[in-house]
Amino acid sequence: ETGVTQSPTHLIKTRGQQVTLRCSSQSGHNTVSWYQQALGQGPQFIFQYYREEENGRGNFPPRFSGLQFPNYSSELNVNALELDDSALYLCASSSRIHEQFFGPGTRLTVL
Amino acid sequence: KQEVTQIPAALSVPEGENLVLNCSFTDSAIYNLQWFRQDPGKGLTSLLLIQSSQREQTSGRLNASLDKSSGRSTLYIAASQPGDSATYLCAESGGGADGLTFGKGTHLIIQP
Repeated sequence: ETGVTQSPTHLIKTRGQQVTLRCSSQSGHNTVSWYQQALGQGPQFIFQYYREEENGRGNFPPRFSGLQFPNYSSELNVNALELDDSALYLCASSSRIHEQFFGPGTRLTVL
Repeated sequence: KQEVTQIPAALSVPEGENLVLNCSFTDSAIYNLQWFRQDPGKGLTSLLLIQSSQREQTSGRLNASLDKSSGRSTLYIAASQPGDSATYLCAESGGGADGLTFGKGTHLIIQP
């Protein structure tokens, strides 16, 4: 059974640029959630996708957007990057509201 | 807005000791609570999941309890080892599509 994978591992961008992060869900899981974790903090919920539709969103602005594909993999897009967007971005997959399994994360640095 | 608090923020103990990590939550309609381990700069590893209908779960040297009435969960680690050194996070779910609400974690150091 393949676990949750994320790419890239690390990314450096400059303020104002756009970034796309990718996530492949665990086999058999149809729900993907994205989280942002700032240094020294717990992860903060960005949004959740179920069957290719966003069905839940945390307190993040619209410049954070996403997609889920028919194979349940997902993308997180962030436009107009700000310095405060520097964080570890975590993807988690689950079968609806059951146990969530996390990927290794993407470390984004905005200069 | 639901909140999760973890105490203590950091803990350092000698190898072999039994220890308890605490987690409190404000969600009276909690659906489940999950404990995670996070190594520096890495993703989260799920340790235990407790459904709201359960009182505890065990996996090896780990035991997690859930008390909905008091809004508390504890993670008990028996016979601690240096490899247990990590940050431990608890997170609650209300069962909807609002994702998990996390605490800030307890940074645990086990001294050899």
